Amino acid sequence: QVQLVQSGGGVVQPGRSLRLSCAASGFTFSDNGMHWVRQAPGKGLEWVAVIWYDGSNKYYADSVKGRFTISRDNSKNTLSLQMNSLRVEDTAVYYCVRWGPDRSWDYWGQGTLVTVSS
Amino acid sequence: DIVMTQTPLSSPVTLGQPASISCRSSQSLVHSDGNTYLNWLQQRPGQPPRLLIYKVSNRFSGVPDRFSGSGAGTDFTLKISRVEAEDVGVYYCMQATQQWTFGQGTRVEIK
Repeated sequence: QVQLVQSGGGVVQPGRSLRLSCAASGFTFSDNGMHWVRQAPGKGLEWVAVIWYDGSNKYYADSVKGRFTISRDNSKNTLSLQMNSLRVEDTAVYYCVRWGPDRSWDYWGQGTLVTVSS
Repeated sequence: DIVMTQTPLSSPVTLGQPASISCRSSQSLVHSDGNTYLNWLQQRPGQPPRLLIYKVSNRFSGVPDRFSGSGAGTDFTLKISRVEAEDVGVYYCMQATQQWTFGQGTRVEIK
């Protein structure tokens, strides 16, 4: 069965960096694009970044452009999000999501909380 | 960016009764390939979201048939034919026609 298991996250001071990971199993990872999406406490969903199945294309929300970098290692079935220059407003639960057929977001990781606070 | 607007934002429902959520987009969600990429997600309390409906009306694997989606262009609806206790949560519409944006969410609760 498809599984996306996330790691990383935690409490970090403003301006510092953090790296999130998402380990995929149960499918051919290199066949699918992947997304990161976040949810601030008590709020709705915000798309963060996407990477094509082969890593050839990457796109970011304006709110994170230039600070966050999405990457993948298809040999290790792993998706990553490098977050630099973190701001208080980046505080959220971050989810990795598989980009499935028909542009669906069909499988989600369990989420990981990032808290940016001094 | 395409703005997605859901109504109502809260929906108290009696068990066994139907529920309906509307979602309107600020522009047509018909893609140049002819498809309409409108999805519905369910987020139960303390859980990650999960896919319910994709491309307006297609139920994802394992989704009960009491959930149905309909609509076209800019107006879409999610219906639950008979609400069960496990349906409590927040429901989001999201469009994947032009990048990705979400509605604000509709909270379904039991009266």
